[in-house]
Amino acid sequence: SQQGEEDPQALSIQEGENATMNCSYKTSINNLQWYRQNSGRGLVHLILIRSNEREKHSGRLRVTLDTSKKSSSLLITASRAADTASYFCATYSGAGSYQLTFGKGTKLSVIP
Amino acid sequence: EAGVAQSPRYKIIEKRQSVAFWCNPISGHATLYWYQQILGQGPKLLIQFQNNGVVDDSQLPKDRFSAERLKGVDSTLKIQPAKLEDSAVYLCASSLDTSIRELFFGEGSRLTVL
Repeated sequence: SQQGEEDPQALSIQEGENATMNCSYKTSINNLQWYRQNSGRGLVHLILIRSNEREKHSGRLRVTLDTSKKSSSLLITASRAADTASYFCATYSGAGSYQLTFGKGTKLSVIP
Repeated sequence: EAGVAQSPRYKIIEKRQSVAFWCNPISGHATLYWYQQILGQGPKLLIQFQNNGVVDDSQLPKDRFSAERLKGVDSTLKIQPAKLEDSAVYLCASSLDTSIRELFFGEGSRLTVL
């Protein structure tokens, strides 16, 4: 089963605009991670946010976490064509679990 | 630093045939994962190793899938016999250990079963 569910499933924006993707999960977590996957490639880790953090930044990326709503969002500012990819959130399934579970992803298209 | 190496990148077989995928993790990474990613979906964990021991194989279809990690370094995932629904990308990943850390993925092995 998949712990995280991303929304929207697909997103198309113009270069320079901001892109926001959301992730909802079901059980309590220790941390939440975001990964990027370019077409035909492996996944690349973007950012990890711990359960006691509310916001984290990395370059043009901003991640928020609301544990009361069991949700997270990934904001990419000033998007570029190179940001075109699928974005996945991932969490550990439950207490004591070492299984990192991925959602179905959001497919982002940035139009030059 | 060399990344996670996987081979072959592409494989086409007929149903009921067998196939094997190989993975070499990042040097020093104790934990190795095999994920299956069906087109349009997120990766699903098949098996997780810590050194050469299995941590989690609860979602591995053991009647046809097998995996080993001899000597705690590289790993092989085998499918025998393959079914049409096994068509997917098989992703290998590694991490320093089983504690909560980022995973490093290989490029994947794309399997097509005809």
